[in-house]
Parts: sequence; structure tokens; C-alpha cells
Amino acid sequence: AQSVTQLGSHVSVSEGALVLLRCNYSSSVPPYLFWYVQYPNQGLQLLLKYTSAATLVKGINGFEAEFKKSETSFHLTKPSAHMSDAAEYFCAVISNSGNTPLVFGKGTRLSVIA
Amino acid sequence: DSGVTQTPKHLITATGQRVTLRCSPRSGDLSVYWYQQSLDQGLQFLIQYYNGEERAKGNILERFSAQQFPDLHSELNLSSLELGDSALYFCASSVGTGKLNTEAFFGQGTRLTVV
Repeated sequence: AQSVTQLGSHVSVSEGALVLLRCNYSSSVPPYLFWYVQYPNQGLQLLLKYTSAATLVKGINGFEAEFKKSETSFHLTKPSAHMSDAAEYFCAVISNSGNTPLVFGKGTRLSVIA
Repeated sequence: DSGVTQTPKHLITATGQRVTLRCSPRSGDLSVYWYQQSLDQGLQFLIQYYNGEERAKGNILERFSAQQFPDLHSELNLSSLELGDSALYFCASSVGTGKLNTEAFFGQGTRLTVV
């Protein structure tokens, strides 16, 4: 079954510092991969998705992620953290046929320190 | 605003009771998904409907059931509630299945508290 593992349940960065949130997938066939963000008391919002086109995917709010098949990874990065980036981030996967529901990682809480 | 509407936003009920959560998908979306979010289990997929028919089943308890109506709205029924059912329940919708399933839009959730 498809699954993703997010390394680090909590990441803390200083404002202006690089954000790196890690996600590894388990699949013999490259799946479709997603990053969602959840702000307090809100639903999940799609940040970006990889669907086998470009391996470097740009999303909203300055985030991007790179699909690396050799490392089975899809890490999320942002060059400079803002206070407004503080939220819970979820990596998710579906099969590349799209015939499975989204399966989420455990989530990583990002704190941004002024 | 994702276009997915969930009601109610908050629900407090007693153990043993039954509740119904409602979801209206985005206009044009045929697939509806239900997820449960709790601190210990994270985001767990419960069930998916596509155009009125059950499409996929996840970790859904037998005490829980769902359906999708002809107007495409969906309801999640939770019965014989236990304290451990307290969680945030999310509905999501997408255009379809397969390649059309690659973007799901989430509602703001229903927070269920069982006391």
C-alpha cells in the first residue's frame, strides 16, 4: 500500500531562515505526491503537487518541492520563513493511476520564531 | 474558501448517541471523501463515494456509515458514540477518480466532542 513518512513531528525555524520539511514515500512505482497545509482551526489547503511532470514543483506562498526517485523523497522547502508560515504541513500520496484515496503522513508542525 | 461546505462546525454529544455530519462538495465534483483527524491517529481515510456509489473504504468502524445522495451531498452517520470518537471530521471532494482525482479540496471540518 502507498504510504508516506514525514521525518520530524515538529520543526522550528527562525524568521528568514530556510524551511525544510521532509517526506519519503514507499512505492515501487512513482506515485502522485502532495503537500497540504493546515492553519489552526481550518481545513487543509493544497500547497503543491507532483504528478510526473517536472520534478521540481512550485507551489503557493513561495514553497517548492523536489521529487527525487533515487531517494524516494519529496521534501518541501521555502528559502525564507515568514511568521505566517506557522502551521501543520502534511505530505500525502495516491497511486499514479489516481485510483486510491489520498493517504497522509502524520504531519509536521512548523513553528517560526521571530 | 475551498467550496466544500461542512455542517455543523461543532458538535457536542453524549456517549451512546448518534450524529449526522453533512458535506456539500464543490460544484461539479463527483467524488466525496471522509477523513477523521485525531491527535493519536493523524488523518485517517474513512470512505469515498463517487457519483452516489461507494468507491473505496478505509479505516471506517462498523458503527459509522455514509452515503452520497443524488444531489451529490454526502452524510456521515456516527452511532453508539464513544469518547474515542471525538475528533475533527473532514470532507473533501474532487472532480472524479483516476487521473481526475489528483486534487482534493477540503472543507473546514466538523469538530465532534463526545462527553
